[in-house]
Amino acid sequence: AQTVTQSQPEMSVQEAETVTLSCTYDTSESNYYLFWYKQPPSRQMILVIRQEAYKQQNATENRFSVNFQKAAKSFSLKISDSQLGDTAMYFCAFMKQNGNQFYFGTGTSLTVIP
Amino acid sequence: GAGVSQSPSNKVTEKGKDVELRCDPISGHTALYWYRQSLGQGLEFLIYFQGNSAPDKSGLPSDRFSAERTGGSVSTLTIQRTQQEDSAVYLCASRLNRASTDTQYFGPGTRLTVL
Repeated sequence: AQTVTQSQPEMSVQEAETVTLSCTYDTSESNYYLFWYKQPPSRQMILVIRQEAYKQQNATENRFSVNFQKAAKSFSLKISDSQLGDTAMYFCAFMKQNGNQFYFGTGTSLTVIP
Repeated sequence: GAGVSQSPSNKVTEKGKDVELRCDPISGHTALYWYRQSLGQGLEFLIYFQGNSAPDKSGLPSDRFSAERTGGSVSTLTIQRTQQEDSAVYLCASRLNRASTDTQYFGPGTRLTVL
């Protein structure tokens, strides 16, 4: 079975600063996909960034980037120049290559402080 | 261009009653997922549909839970004889198809409270 672990239940960061959210996972699969989702108070889950395991290059989307360490099974999210609108729950997720099922971590609640 | 919609947005029910939760996926999306999000927890996978069939029902927590999808579109999650531990936010998501490049789009969820 696949498991996803987010060891930081809560984090805070000053506006304009950089913060890194941690995620580790356990799988015996060699090909898979990793995701970070954001869930603001509105409850709407929004895809932030995705990473294909077969790609060595770390994914980047504007202020969001990941540090993907396949051997260590680590997938951290870095948010640069944090903005108030980044305040939300962040979930790390894993998907097998067959795309049948997603596995989510328990989330990290991020608060951006003005 | 509407996104995934769910109804009702909030549902309060008494223990022992049946409830139906509805999900309208994005038009044309063939894959549909149901998740449960309990307070302080991540998303728990419940069931997955490809078209009208559900090849993976492994996440349904008990036989009180069932789901169906008709016409490859709307899906209904039914919980019979609700219990207090069923209280959670139930999220629905859809994808264009099962291709790995397809993004999963989520609805706003239904918050179920069982008294």
